[in-house]
Amino acid sequence: EDQVTQSPEALRLQEGESSSLNCSYTVSGLRGLFWYRQDPGKGPEFLFTLYSAGEEKEKERLKATLTKKESFLHITAPKPEDSATYLCAVLVGGNTPLVFGKGTRLSVIA
Amino acid sequence: GAGVSQSPRYKVAKRGQDVALRCDPISGHVSLFWYQQALGQGPEFLTYFQNEAQLDKSGLPSDRFFAERPEGSVSTLKIQRTQQEDSAVYLCASRSGTRDTGELFFGEGSRLTVL
Repeated sequence: EDQVTQSPEALRLQEGESSSLNCSYTVSGLRGLFWYRQDPGKGPEFLFTLYSAGEEKEKERLKATLTKKESFLHITAPKPEDSATYLCAVLVGGNTPLVFGKGTRLSVIA
Repeated sequence: GAGVSQSPRYKVAKRGQDVALRCDPISGHVSLFWYQQALGQGPEFLTYFQNEAQLDKSGLPSDRFFAERPEGSVSTLKIQRTQQEDSAVYLCASRSGTRDTGELFFGEGSRLTVL
């Protein structure tokens, strides 16, 4: 069974304190790995897609990386507005649905 | 429209009532998905439409759940004889193509509370 595990479940950072979120996966035939941001009471908002090991994507203070077993979302010098739940999802293939992890709740304190 | 629109945003139902949740996807988007998100969990797949065809309903938890997209645009998720375990946020997402490019655009969800 395809599985996506995110850690930690929750993370509290001081403003400016860089850190990383982890997404590990056990799937057969990864077609893509996706990161989404979800604010309370909102739907998930797309951040990145990674397709192959070694690939990196950046957006403002966020950088996503991918290996054959896991992905990291690095947050550099976070600000309070970066507080949200970050969801990782994998696409196995065909017209199959994205399989999501449970997310990491990030709180950035000023 | 500019984004995926869902209604109602909040619904409170008594156990045993039927509910209908509506999704209006981004205009022209071929693919439409329904997900269920319990508190503190990630979204879980319910069903998938390509135009008006329901190609995958493997995630629907029971035969009380029914979804349709009769004209290939607006979709309705219906839950019959609601139970407390149906309480969750129901998310709708759409995608422009049929290929598995992966990027989904989500609505804000419909929060269902069953008393």
